[in-house]
Amino acid sequence: EVQLLESGGGLVQPGGSLRLSCAASGFIFAGYGMAWVRQSPGKGPEWVSGISASGRTTDYADPVKGRFTISRDNSKKILYLQMNSLRAEDTALYFCAKDETTGTESAFDIWGQGTMVTVSS
Amino acid sequence: DIQMTQSPSTLSASVGDRVTITCRASQGISRWLAWYQQKPGEAPKLLIYDASSLESGVPSRFSGSGSGTEFTLTISSLQPDDFATYYCQQYYSQRTFGQGTKVEIK
Repeated sequence: EVQLLESGGGLVQPGGSLRLSCAASGFIFAGYGMAWVRQSPGKGPEWVSGISASGRTTDYADPVKGRFTISRDNSKKILYLQMNSLRAEDTALYFCAKDETTGTESAFDIWGQGTMVTVSS
Repeated sequence: DIQMTQSPSTLSASVGDRVTITCRASQGISRWLAWYQQKPGEAPKLLIYDASSLESGVPSRFSGSGSGTEFTLTISSLQPDDFATYYCQQYYSQRTFGQGTKVEIK
């Protein structure tokens, strides 16, 4: 079964850091680009960051550029999101998602269940 | 940045109704558009990709059309399981989601 399982969320103070992980199974992880998407309570999804299949190419939404770092370990089939200098507006449910096709940006066909990040003092 | 605008924000409909949701892009995105369905407490589910391609396992009552800046999602005959929120998403340049359309029971 194709599956993505996020972990690492929690409560953190403003200015703090967290590292999210997403464990993949059931597909050739190294063959697909991956992404992090967040969703604040009552709001629509917001793309946060993406990474190519090899890990050589990364991209970030403007609100997180310079504070978040996406990476992946293809040998362990894990996607990461290092989040630094966290702000209240980063509070959201964070999903990892899989590109549907290889080699180009595409829709997301597989999503995890999400991990909640709350930034509050 | 490419902005995506959906209309309407809320749609009241009955079982069996034909439902159409519109998504407009702030600039041309060719056919690089997807539609998702989301229910409370769940992750979004891919319905349509490349503007009109039906994702495997998705009922044929769902269809998508459009190119450039104007796109539509149509549900030909609304079923009880279809009451949910629908989002469009462009993947022409980075990724952007629309603000959502909630389909509720009339």
